[in-house]
Amino acid sequence: GAGVSQSPSNKVTEKGKDVELRCDPISGHTALYWYRQSLGQGLEFLIYFQGNSAPDKSGLPSDRFSAERTGGSVSTLTIQRTQQEDSAVYLCASSLASGGWNTEAFFGQGTRLTVV
Amino acid sequence: AQSVTQLGSHVSVSEGALVLLRCNYSSSVPPYLFWYVQYPNQGLQLLLKYTSAATLVKGINGFEAEFKKSETSFHLTKPSAHMSDAAEYFCAVSEGNTDKLIFGTGTRLQVFP
Repeated sequence: GAGVSQSPSNKVTEKGKDVELRCDPISGHTALYWYRQSLGQGLEFLIYFQGNSAPDKSGLPSDRFSAERTGGSVSTLTIQRTQQEDSAVYLCASSLASGGWNTEAFFGQGTRLTVV
Repeated sequence: AQSVTQLGSHVSVSEGALVLLRCNYSSSVPPYLFWYVQYPNQGLQLLLKYTSAATLVKGINGFEAEFKKSETSFHLTKPSAHMSDAAEYFCAVSEGNTDKLIFGTGTRLQVFP
């Protein structure tokens, strides 16, 4: 597709259930990012994939959060045993990853997660 | 590790007035700096970026930002605000040869008629 695609756009789940959020990056982009946007919290870095390198998971808030990227393309962010504080908009972005100076991250529209 | 601080979570200006959104960075190596904008109910898009070619960077919609190493700042300005500039603005930094992007907490700009 032309841009970063995220699905679903909205997800309402019950506390304690697991959820999977999907991201389809722009074709050819080797870097992929997940961020969480909460009211008043800005964009919180979660995880970063760069080509075949080990992902930078330093932003994942707890071991209930995990992400994978299959075949260097599609990524799935999984939240296990969801809690109310997990409610937020989860944003995915991708970039060409040409080494810092040319980083322009293209963002998807996000998945709004509501835990009830 | 790199980080950015945006002073002021909300800024309000009158239409036609100067816009100044502040961003300070922390980086152990020369940084690459970015401003992104998020219009209401839209995704984030790149406004401008600093890549060391020039300290004054011009972006879309009349915005510009100046990199000041001595002040570790990358403030965003626009001489004359327009109603359509109302949005949330995020400063971001990436470090060295990594593409890891770290964002600030954002500044919401309101423009009054």
